[in-house]
Amino acid sequence: DQQVKQNSPSLSVQEGRISILNCDYTNSMFDYFLWYKKYPAEGPTFLISISSIKDKNEDGRFTVFLNKSAKHLSLHIVPSQPGDSAVYFCAAHHNYGQNFVFGPGTRLSVLP
Amino acid sequence: DAGVTQSPTHLIKTRGQQVTLRCSPKSGHDTVSWYQQALGQGPQFIFQYYEEEERQRGNFPDRFSGHQFPNYSSELNVNALLLGDSALYLCASSLALGETQYFGPGTRLLVL
Repeated sequence: DQQVKQNSPSLSVQEGRISILNCDYTNSMFDYFLWYKKYPAEGPTFLISISSIKDKNEDGRFTVFLNKSAKHLSLHIVPSQPGDSAVYFCAAHHNYGQNFVFGPGTRLSVLP
Repeated sequence: DAGVTQSPTHLIKTRGQQVTLRCSPKSGHDTVSWYQQALGQGPQFIFQYYEEEERQRGNFPDRFSGHQFPNYSSELNVNALLLGDSALYLCASSLALGETQYFGPGTRLLVL
């Protein structure tokens, strides 16, 4: 039972354009969501998070949108850069102290 | 400020053997979580340690055990290794239970 889904295994975007990575979840109890980026041979790096009391959080080129009614969140990267090429993981948890549940990841390729 | 460190980086074992992986958390962090990441999948939660006790456990057999030391560093032990235990093992630390987790580079384990 996959509680966090990332239905696009891969995505290719031209440099300078917007990248949109999507994540769906099934557990309505999830109240905190994070995005991580992972380069080969490195551990995941925290990018941005959002609490369920918000519907948008922005940090530089990265914006996360949360639609609780649809149980959907998305990560927007604008403008996309070749260095953004990596695997992006969506993660979620509910109740303070609970462990994080990760999606399977989406591989983003930003083409020069 | 040193981030999360893990040792060793790579390890090759044979079926039936035992392995110990080590993790030092980010400075100031007292909570350590361990994840298993198989090829093409997201990290799967193994267990979490806080105040030297296992606080949560994912769906992993008793062959997986751990320990947290007074300095907050942690070990993951896997007994009776199976071929399916081959994966990247990630350690993550956080300021407290439920807070954003920061990952180490991982230990890649190959079981032959």
